[in-house]
Amino acid sequence: DIIMTQSPGTLSVSPGARATLSCRASQSLRNNLAWYQQKPGQAPRLLIYGAFTRAPGIPARFSGSGSGAQFTLTISSLQSEDSAVYYCQQYNIWPGTFGQGTKLEIK
Amino acid sequence: QVQLVQSGAEVKKPGSSVRVSCKTSGGSFTTEAIGWLRQAPGQGPELMGIVIPTFAPPKYTQRFQGRVTITTDVSTTTVYMDLIGLRSEDTALYYCASSVGRLASFDSWGQGTLVTVSS
Repeated sequence: DIIMTQSPGTLSVSPGARATLSCRASQSLRNNLAWYQQKPGQAPRLLIYGAFTRAPGIPARFSGSGSGAQFTLTISSLQSEDSAVYYCQQYNIWPGTFGQGTKLEIK
Repeated sequence: QVQLVQSGAEVKKPGSSVRVSCKTSGGSFTTEAIGWLRQAPGQGPELMGIVIPTFAPPKYTQRFQGRVTITTDVSTTTVYMDLIGLRSEDTALYYCASSVGRLASFDSWGQGTLVTVSS
């Protein structure tokens, strides 16, 4: 299975600032990479698919970039509601696999 | 967008089995893929298997092959996940989620079902 490694494990950022979350795959994914947001007690919510395409209803503050085996989720103008755990998922090769998550704290 | 509603929490004994249901609405049941994923505390989701009702048989990940069975009821647009041989390590939140195919992102998720395995 493809291993997805996310960094950092925890990120503390001030409101209004920008957060940059990284995701590295154990092999090339082309652009078959998704990002999810999960708040406590809730199911994951799809933010980005195809590495950079926002899912319906996702604010433009969320942007995805990267290709191959290295990807980035950038969240600009951070708000308190962005506090959550963020996961990346590859779906280039069966089975789709997820990273271990980055916890984003808004301090 | 597809809405997914799962059955309630379960408490099971080691060695027993569990069935979790996922009622779907608002989408095309026969062409949407429905996956089952589980999430242990503090970990990312893990795919168990996926099915496209009436279009393709279920496909299971190697880790769960032989222990999980995914079935569908077209008349009620419900997908079921059966897991046998439960052990304490199976204690987790189980989610169903919809996708456009076997290899794709999951765009809608159920609310999750907590399965606790304890003697």
